[in-house]
Amino acid sequence: EVQLVQSGAEVKKPGESLKISCRASGYSFSTHWIAWVRQVPGKGLEWMGIIFPGDSDTRYSPSFQGQVTISADHSVSTAYLQWSSLTASDTAVFYCARLGDEADSDPFDVWGQGTLVSVSS
Amino acid sequence: SSELTQDPAVSVALGQTVRITCQGDSLRIYYASWYQQKPGQAPQLVVYAKNKRPSGIPDRFSGSNSGNTASLTITGAQAEDEADYYCKSRDSNGNHNYVFGPGTKVTVL
Repeated sequence: EVQLVQSGAEVKKPGESLKISCRASGYSFSTHWIAWVRQVPGKGLEWMGIIFPGDSDTRYSPSFQGQVTISADHSVSTAYLQWSSLTASDTAVFYCARLGDEADSDPFDVWGQGTLVSVSS
Repeated sequence: SSELTQDPAVSVALGQTVRITCQGDSLRIYYASWYQQKPGQAPQLVVYAKNKRPSGIPDRFSGSNSGNTASLTITGAQAEDEADYYCKSRDSNGNHNYVFGPGTKVTVL
């Protein structure tokens, strides 16, 4: 079964750093892009960025460029999303999603369960 | 970058048909994919490409495209179809840059 399993919920203070993870199983991790998507409570989905684990080619949404870092370690089939200094506005649920093989529409065909990040003083 | 627009909310009577639309310049070039999200759950892909459904998605879900508009149609809506629906497409910047629509809340009456 193809699965993405994300790390658990986090409660952090402003200014702290954080790295959350997304572990893939059931397929060849190195050959599929992995995206990160933010959802602020009560709001819609926002595409943050995407990485190709095979060569670490990474693209960011202009809205998130410089705010987060996306990385991957194909030796453990895991993608990461990290912050160096959190703010309260980073409070959200973060999803990872696999980019499927359909070239015509680039579907995100498998999703992680989401990681809730709460930032508060 | 590109933007996608969706109606904030639509309602449909049980068993009737509802169409959800997504508009944006990038849709003249790229297909949309559609995601269903129920409260407290991760999004789920329901339709992609010209009109394809992942395994397990009922055939009452279908997609279509015309000009700058992509549509998701639910034919014979069921109570379990009540959810938020998001379209997604490539950004005008091209490969591996994406944008989501703001979402449409579907209420089944």
